[in-house]
Amino acid sequence: EVQLVESGGTLVQPGGSLRLSCAASGFTFSSYWMSWVRQAPGKGLEWVANIKQDGSERYYVDSVKGRFTISRDNAKNSLYLQMNSLRAEDTAVYYCARSRLFVPTPFCYWGQGTLVTVSS
Amino acid sequence: DIQMTQSPSTLSASVRDRVTITCRASQSISSWLAWYQQKPGKAPKLLIYKASSLESGVPSRFSGSGSGTEFTLTISSLQPDDFATYYCQQYNSYSAWTFGQGTKVEIK
Repeated sequence: EVQLVESGGTLVQPGGSLRLSCAASGFTFSSYWMSWVRQAPGKGLEWVANIKQDGSERYYVDSVKGRFTISRDNAKNSLYLQMNSLRAEDTAVYYCARSRLFVPTPFCYWGQGTLVTVSS
Repeated sequence: DIQMTQSPSTLSASVRDRVTITCRASQSISSWLAWYQQKPGKAPKLLIYKASSLESGVPSRFSGSGSGTEFTLTISSLQPDDFATYYCQQYNSYSAWTFGQGTKVEIK
């Protein structure tokens, strides 16, 4: 059974940093593009970043470029999101998601999400 | 970046109604469009990919159509489990994916 389990969400002050983790199991993690998607309270979905199987390609939504870094450790079956210079508008539930195929495709598996709250 | 606009934002319907949700892209995305269903407090669920392909395990009452800039999600006979929020997502370029703002399907 495919499982994605996010962790690391918490309350952080504006300007602070946080690292989210996503532990994957039930599939060959190194074979898939992976992504982070977020959802602000009461709002819609926003794709944040994605990363190729070997980490050689990474892409970000404009609003987080230069502040967030997506990475992965295939040996540990883990995906990460390093978030720096956090702002109130980064407050959201952050989901880890797996592409449907070995190429960048819609997300057929999602984690349960982890809440990041940016507030003083 | 490609903008995705869904309509309506909210839809009131009854069980067994036929429901249609529209998603428009700001430029052509060929058939690189997906539809998701999300219930409160839960992660989204993939329903449709490549505009009209039904994801495994999704009931056949869900269908998708369209290409280029205009797409539709149709639920042929609304069931109690279908009351949820629906999102479209374009994946034309994997360096900048975008979602529509969502359509909430409510009980009439």
